[in-house]
Amino acid sequence: QQQVKQSPQSLIVQKGGIPIINCAYENTAFDYFPWYQQFPGKGPALLIAIRPDVSEKKEGRFTISFNKSAKQFSLHIMDSQPGDSATYFCAAEIQGAQKLVFGQGTRLTINP
Amino acid sequence: DAGVTQSPTHLIKTRGQQVTLRCSPISGHKSVSWYQQVLGQGPQFIFQYYEKEERGRGNFPDRFSARQFPNYSSELNVNALLLGDSALYLCASRRTGTDVGYTFGSGTRLTVV
Repeated sequence: QQQVKQSPQSLIVQKGGIPIINCAYENTAFDYFPWYQQFPGKGPALLIAIRPDVSEKKEGRFTISFNKSAKQFSLHIMDSQPGDSATYFCAAEIQGAQKLVFGQGTRLTINP
Repeated sequence: DAGVTQSPTHLIKTRGQQVTLRCSPISGHKSVSWYQQVLGQGPQFIFQYYEKEERGRGNFPDRFSARQFPNYSSELNVNALLLGDSALYLCASRRTGTDVGYTFGSGTRLTVV
């Protein structure tokens, strides 16, 4: 299965809260899991990525948690700000395939 | 350093027409990929090119074709346009042999009427 399932479809959080976006996959050959942020009228921008040999990775206010046995991974945004309001996509790639499989996206709104 | 540049930014075409979209990768990036993003959905992989050769193709009809030039820029062609081809077409480049992710351009918004 080449699908990546993402939830929730939309999320509203107050400023300073910690939005969490979840993704699940079936294909155990996936070995690279990036998260992208997309603003209206722009292309996706890489936020953070993880490989399955680690369970957590932090970059600034963004954290990926990875559960290899459950085939799930999630994005946490610490101290969320209105400027974080955007659509977030998880993705997965098989090494060497040079092809990203994207989730359906989560529209995140951070209220002031 | 310039990012991935795509042209044109917007395009309106009539059903049955043909369209060519252009992409210039980041300097030094030899791998170029094309994705289609329909409104409200995640990008879908169309093609990947490396060193002027097609290295991957997604589940798209033969109306879609692409090529990569010696300077690593790329073109995506779509023939016999259908209303369902209306989407944001994204180009992404990547420096091969590294763990660095793809960099996407801002895309070409194609509207078929």
